[in-house]
Amino acid sequence: DIQMTQSPSSLSASVGDRVTITCRASQGISNYLAWYQQKPGKVPELLIYAASTLQSGVPSRFSGSGSGTDFTLTISSLQPEDVATYYCQKYNSDPLTFGGGTKVEIK
Amino acid sequence: EVQLVESGGGSVQPGWSLRLSCAASGFTFDDYAMHWVRQAPGKGLEWVSGISWNSGRIAYADSVKGRFTISRDNAKNSLYLQMNSLRAEDTALYYCAKAKAYSLLGGHFDYWGQGTLVTVSS
Repeated sequence: DIQMTQSPSSLSASVGDRVTITCRASQGISNYLAWYQQKPGKVPELLIYAASTLQSGVPSRFSGSGSGTDFTLTISSLQPEDVATYYCQKYNSDPLTFGGGTKVEIK
Repeated sequence: EVQLVESGGGSVQPGWSLRLSCAASGFTFDDYAMHWVRQAPGKGLEWVSGISWNSGRIAYADSVKGRFTISRDNAKNSLYLQMNSLRAEDTALYYCAKAKAYSLLGGHFDYWGQGTLVTVSS
């Protein structure tokens, strides 16, 4: 099975900072990669799919990049409402594995 | 408006069974694959099982294979998860999720339900 490894597992940054989260697949997955945001106590929400396509309604400060095995989620200017755990997920083959998550906090 | 409403969770003893349901509305149910995802308390997301639009393809996580059965009834716009031989490690919030694809694979999850809690404890 393909493993999805996210890093870091947690981070603390200041409002306005640029934040980068990485997700690495143990084998190539083309661009079959989605990012989800889960705010505390809430349901996960889709942010980005096909590695770099922003879901409708998601603020443009979020962006995704990568293909194959290495992917990145970037928040260009961290806002207080971005406090959440972020998960990557591959969906090209089963199991449709999620990464372990990255918890983002405000410093 | 897309709505996914899970039900059927509860507290059971190890070895017991539960059947989860997910009622879908606001979209053409039989055009899309559907999935179950769970989240143990304080833990991350774990994909559990998925089913294609016509039930032609089904897949399970190794952790539930042989114990859980996914199914759907397109006439009733409903998704199900039959969970047998439950274990303590199955304790989690179970979400139903709609895929943006008719096939089992190739679709991200664009809508999620609120989840139903399953607690397995003696």
